[in-house]
Amino acid sequence: DVKVTQSSRYLVKRTGEKVFLECVQDMDHENMFWYRQDPGLGLRLIYFSYDVKMKEKGDIPEGYSVSREKKERFSLILESASTNQTSMYLCASGGEGPETQYFGPGTRLLVL
Amino acid sequence: RKEVEQDPGPFNVPEGATVAFNCTYSNSASQSFFWYRQDCRKEPKLLMSVYSSGNEDGRFTAQLNRASQYISLLIRDSKLSDSATYLCVVNPTGANNLFFGTGTRLTVIP
Repeated sequence: DVKVTQSSRYLVKRTGEKVFLECVQDMDHENMFWYRQDPGLGLRLIYFSYDVKMKEKGDIPEGYSVSREKKERFSLILESASTNQTSMYLCASGGEGPETQYFGPGTRLLVL
Repeated sequence: RKEVEQDPGPFNVPEGATVAFNCTYSNSASQSFFWYRQDCRKEPKLLMSVYSSGNEDGRFTAQLNRASQYISLLIRDSKLSDSATYLCVVNPTGANNLFFGTGTRLTVIP
């Protein structure tokens, strides 16, 4: 069974704080993704990575950065959290073919 | 224009009913199509892929109409456990990027 885990289910941070969200997958997948999900907007891709140390911007990368130092781990960084980054953050990993994308349980982030 | 558009619902149907969701996509060159299911406060999970010839998985039938650029999901004999949000997903480029619709919420009522 594919397992994608995220470091926290719920997180509360203050405006201006640096926030790290970690995602780990155990399927040796090359591709990993970070999305955010907001009511009425659906899932939107922030960044993705197709290999270690490689990253590509998604649709809404502003205010975020990512790090992929190891194949199994993909981190999302909010350098200076803002209230409009309050959202559900979902990590996914995938192998060959888009139908292989599996999601983690999500991190609900509240920025005060 | 959004890549993927779907009616947000909610759809409230009695047990045993048949319900259909439609979704339209904007990129005529899109490669592959999926329906995902997302339960409340859970992550999305792949429900089924959608093939050009249409495909069926038990009570679920997915159809693709390339000419009109829409895909559909039909659920027959609805069960209480079918209550969830159904996400229409399109892969426009053949790479691993997916575009998600906002989801259609279904509630099956006893």
